[in-house]
Amino acid sequence: DAGVIQSPRHEVTEMGQEVTLRCKPISGHNSLFWYRQTMMRGLELLIYFNNNVPIDDSGMPEDRFSAKMPNASFSTLKIQPSEPRDSAVYFCASSAITGNQPQHFGDGTRLSIL
Amino acid sequence: DQQVKQNSPSLSVQEGRISILNCDYTNSMFDYFLWYKKYPAEGPTFLISISSIKDKNEDGRFTVFLNKSAKHLSLHIVPSQPGDSAVYFCAASAQTSYDKVIFGPGTSLSVIP
Repeated sequence: DAGVIQSPRHEVTEMGQEVTLRCKPISGHNSLFWYRQTMMRGLELLIYFNNNVPIDDSGMPEDRFSAKMPNASFSTLKIQPSEPRDSAVYFCASSAITGNQPQHFGDGTRLSIL
Repeated sequence: DQQVKQNSPSLSVQEGRISILNCDYTNSMFDYFLWYKKYPAEGPTFLISISSIKDKNEDGRFTVFLNKSAKHLSLHIVPSQPGDSAVYFCAASAQTSYDKVIFGPGTSLSVIP
C-alpha cells in the first residue's frame, strides 16, 4: 500500500518566489495535516482538514501561507512570497477520521529559501 | 510554552539493555498519548499509544507507562537493538480534538552495538 506521498522532496528557491508543496494522502483517509519542523520550534501543526474542509488553521504562521484540499487525494501548501525564515522540513500526514487514529506521515519536503 | 516536554535531547544505550525515554506534559486535558519514531530523511512513524484510562500498554519490545497524577509518561524498549537508533517523539491530544496532536521536541536514541 502506498503511504503519504509528498513532492518535491527538496526545494531550493530564492526569497520572494512562490513555493508550492504537494501531498497525496493515503487512500481512504479523511483527515490531512500539514506540519513544519524546525530546530527552534520542533514539529508544529500548521493546518488540518477533515473531509477536504479546513478545520483548524491556527498554526499557519502568516497570511503568506495558504493550504487547499480540492479533493480527497490531493492537497497543497503554498508560500507566497517566501522568506529565508520559512526554511524548514514540511510534513504532510493523513489519518482515518474517527477517534484516536494515528497519523501516517510522508517523508517531508526540505525547503531552503535563499 | 511547551505543553509536551522531552527533557533529554539524547540518550545512548548499549545493545541488549533497556532504553527509557521520558515525557512530561502540562495540559491536564490531554487524555491520549502517542510515541512516534523518526529516522533521518523520513517522516515520523507511529510506534505505540496509550489512553488515559490505562497506565500501561505493551507491544512487543515496546511498553509505554502513564502516570496521570505526575503528568508523566515513559517509553521502555527492551531489549534495545541498533535498529532502534532514531529520534523518538512523544505526542498528546485531548478529547476535545484528537486530531490536534501536540508533539514534544524529541529524544535522539543511539543504541551502541
